[in-house]
Amino acid sequence: NAGVTQTPKFQVLKTGQSMTLQCAQDMNHEYMSWYRQDPGMGLRLIHYSVGAGITDQGEVPNGYNVSRSTTEDFPLRLLSAAPSQTSVYFCASSRGERGYTFGSGTRLTVV
Amino acid sequence: LAKTTQPISMDSYEGQEVNITCSHNNIATNDYITWYQQFPSQGPRFIIQGYKTKVTNEVASLFIPADRKSSTLSLPRVSLSDTAVYYCLVYNYGQNFVFGPGTRLSVLP
Repeated sequence: NAGVTQTPKFQVLKTGQSMTLQCAQDMNHEYMSWYRQDPGMGLRLIHYSVGAGITDQGEVPNGYNVSRSTTEDFPLRLLSAAPSQTSVYFCASSRGERGYTFGSGTRLTVV
Repeated sequence: LAKTTQPISMDSYEGQEVNITCSHNNIATNDYITWYQQFPSQGPRFIIQGYKTKVTNEVASLFIPADRKSSTLSLPRVSLSDTAVYYCLVYNYGQNFVFGPGTRLSVLP
């Protein structure tokens, strides 16, 4: 049982490039979310999904897209990377009644 | 979503009991209280969750008074490895977590 798997663990992008952060869970959780964490700060919600085919915006959605074609996968796409998107990104999933299980994070640097 | 207030930082020594109190004055009837721990370069990890009174597991206890407007996470006999950021969250099933800055606990030898 792998839990929540995020890839890649590290990534460096140039300004203007696009990329997709991958997130997969094998716990059959309905709820999945993406957070970003800037140095010394708490986590901020980017996008979330309550089930396959359903997504919604969180607190800081600008510059990011998501899709949820399957229960297992919830990729986060950066459309045109900017230095302000330098952060650590965490994916999380939940069955609802026991809170969220978080992945180990993707550390993204945009230069 | 209810907002929470907790101390920004705390220091303790190895072997001591640490109590971190969280205020959540606007907690709703269906809300649960959950605490997460985060080590540097890792994702948050679930510690304990409760609705009222006292909950205890192998790593911590959670005390919730009758009015539920606050809660206290108790870590017995902390060690250096308990140095981390601790987040208090209030949520209802299916809702998203709203993270505050958490409490940065430093355990000193």
